[in-house]
Amino acid sequence: DTAVSQTPKYLVTQMGNDKSIKCEQNLGHDTMYWYKQDSKKFLKIMFSYNNKELIINETVPNRFSPKSPDKAHLNLHINSLELGDSAVYFCASSQPTGGYTFGSGTRLTVV
Amino acid sequence: GNSVTQMEGPVTLSEEAFLTINCTYTATGYPSLFWYVQYPGEGLQLLLKATKADDKGSNKGFEATYRKETTSFHLEKGSVQVSDSAVYFCALSDQTGNQFYFGTGTSLTVIP
Repeated sequence: DTAVSQTPKYLVTQMGNDKSIKCEQNLGHDTMYWYKQDSKKFLKIMFSYNNKELIINETVPNRFSPKSPDKAHLNLHINSLELGDSAVYFCASSQPTGGYTFGSGTRLTVV
Repeated sequence: GNSVTQMEGPVTLSEEAFLTINCTYTATGYPSLFWYVQYPGEGLQLLLKATKADDKGSNKGFEATYRKETTSFHLEKGSVQVSDSAVYFCALSDQTGNQFYFGTGTSLTVIP
């Protein structure tokens, strides 16, 4: 019954690899997001989708590509992983009046 | 533009001490204001919110009042516990509700 679930929780991979993180929400929210949290806990928005349409695309390397097959899913694919990509990635969803609901995060470590 | 500024941490308090974490904002229109809490190893959870001026949000002994005149939304708790140790984020949502602006987070450690 988890509201926003993302998988995997932990991901350790080598530089240069391609990986995906999946996110699903069962709240019926129209908008979904990906955030990156660095080691100092600073949260930076990466992407936002509303009803499968991209509405926010911050300055993020084009190695990062979001994909939203339907409004309940927003996956993040990362090509050619670099050491600097190591962080915790959070998926979230929202409705206009209610604030965000976050997933529990995916800790990505690139070695 | 919209932005949130919150006090820098880390903050260390003894159990039962009074907590204040300052948060001020800049916004056009009528934003909603939020406090989120992130416990170690977990995602962010909504702690409390206020959607209009003079509203007070409260939860788990924490409270914050939406002050339009001072553009502030300070988080307070009268007596902190060790279990309150976490990172606290102030945030605002613009009028569309589609974009959030987070503060930089304030780490709180409560020692017995």
